[in-house]
Amino acid sequence: KAGVTQTPRYLIKTRGQQVTLSCSPISGHRSVSWYQQTPGQGLQFLFEYFSETQRNKGNFPGRFSGRQFSNSRSEMNVSTLELGDSALYLCASSSTIGTDTQYFGPGTRLTVL
Amino acid sequence: DQQVKQNSPSLSVQEGRISILNCDYTNSMFDYFLWYKKYPAEGPTFLISISSIKDKNEDGRFTVFLNKSAKHLSLHIVPSQPGDSAVYFCAASPTTSGTYKYIFGTGTRLKVLA
Repeated sequence: KAGVTQTPRYLIKTRGQQVTLSCSPISGHRSVSWYQQTPGQGLQFLFEYFSETQRNKGNFPGRFSGRQFSNSRSEMNVSTLELGDSALYLCASSSTIGTDTQYFGPGTRLTVL
Repeated sequence: DQQVKQNSPSLSVQEGRISILNCDYTNSMFDYFLWYKKYPAEGPTFLISISSIKDKNEDGRFTVFLNKSAKHLSLHIVPSQPGDSAVYFCAASPTTSGTYKYIFGTGTRLKVLA
């Protein structure tokens, strides 16, 4: 079974731009969560989608948004990029919203200049 | 406010010895805990979990201990192998709502010396 895939793997943007990251979950998985990883902050939860609906949200500004499509693929958008948005963005999928184990993709490394 | 803390950013252990990684949490609502391992350029990989009804869970060389009164959990790796060198994250979640919302620690970088 193919794992979680994220595209692109690397991205360089400048301040003020916007960016869209994509995540394809494991086949059959319906829950997708997004995390931001920065040095010293660990993984910080952004949001979780299930059946095209946002079910949980972390403490991030409204510049961070996401959506999920009917095939469970998810996108995350960051508008008006700031230098502090430079991070590894990880997507994780699980079979359903009430399950425990999440399977992570390799992440998208975003650099904001 | 960091609800899940891994106070040791790094740890070095000799091959064959025990590695002990620690994690503390502050929220008494957390009742499900996990450990993930992360290699560079890869996403975290699930290692082992424990629910609050248990105080120990074992899977091969990996054992997780939970001390609810101290709000502390630890991951023991015995014996440690060079391939265990990675960053280890602990995560906690309340499950009362029926969903899992994970709070991760900042990670501990384990280096196993050959």
